[in-house]
Amino acid sequence: EVQLLESGGGLVQPGGSLRLSCAASGFTFSSYAMSWVRQAPGKGLEWVSAISGSGGSTYYADSVKGRFTISRDNSKNTLYLQMNSLRAEDTAVYYCAKDLFLLGLIVTVFDYWGQGTLVTVSS
Amino acid sequence: EIVMTQSPATLSVSPGERATLSCRASQSVSSNLAWYQQKPGQAPRLLIYGASTRATGIPARFSGSGSGTEFTLTISSLQSEDFAVYYCQQYNNWPHTFGQGTKLEIK
Repeated sequence: EVQLLESGGGLVQPGGSLRLSCAASGFTFSSYAMSWVRQAPGKGLEWVSAISGSGGSTYYADSVKGRFTISRDNSKNTLYLQMNSLRAEDTAVYYCAKDLFLLGLIVTVFDYWGQGTLVTVSS
Repeated sequence: EIVMTQSPATLSVSPGERATLSCRASQSVSSNLAWYQQKPGQAPRLLIYGASTRATGIPARFSGSGSGTEFTLTISSLQSEDFAVYYCQQYNNWPHTFGQGTKLEIK
């Protein structure tokens, strides 16, 4: 059974940093691209960042480019999102999501999602 | 950035009836279009990808159509568990973008 378990969310002041983790199990982690998708309270979905199965390719939304860094440790089956220079508008539930296709390449069709971790940026 | 526009924002339909949800892209995304369902307090669920391919385990009452800039999600006979918010997402051009969602509510 595929499981994705996010952690690391919490309350942080504007300008602060936070690192999210997503522990994956039930599939060959290194064979699939992974993404982070966020959802502000009461709002829609926003794709944030994606990484290929090998970790060699990464993409970012313009809203987080230069502030967030996606990475993965395939030996630990874990996905990360390092978030720096946080702003109030980054407040959201952050989901990690698994790509559908067994390619390792990034497609961003998500067949499994975690339950999300809440990040609140406020003073 | 490709803007995905969903209509209507809210759709009121009676159980057993058909629901038709629309998604328009600001430029062509070919058939690289997915649909997701989200219920309150839950993560999204993949319904359709490639504009018309149902994901594993998705009932046949869900169907997708379209290509280029105009797409449709049809639910042929609404069940109680289908009332939720639906999002389209293009994965043809970076950044990959979602629509703002259509809330399907009970009439």
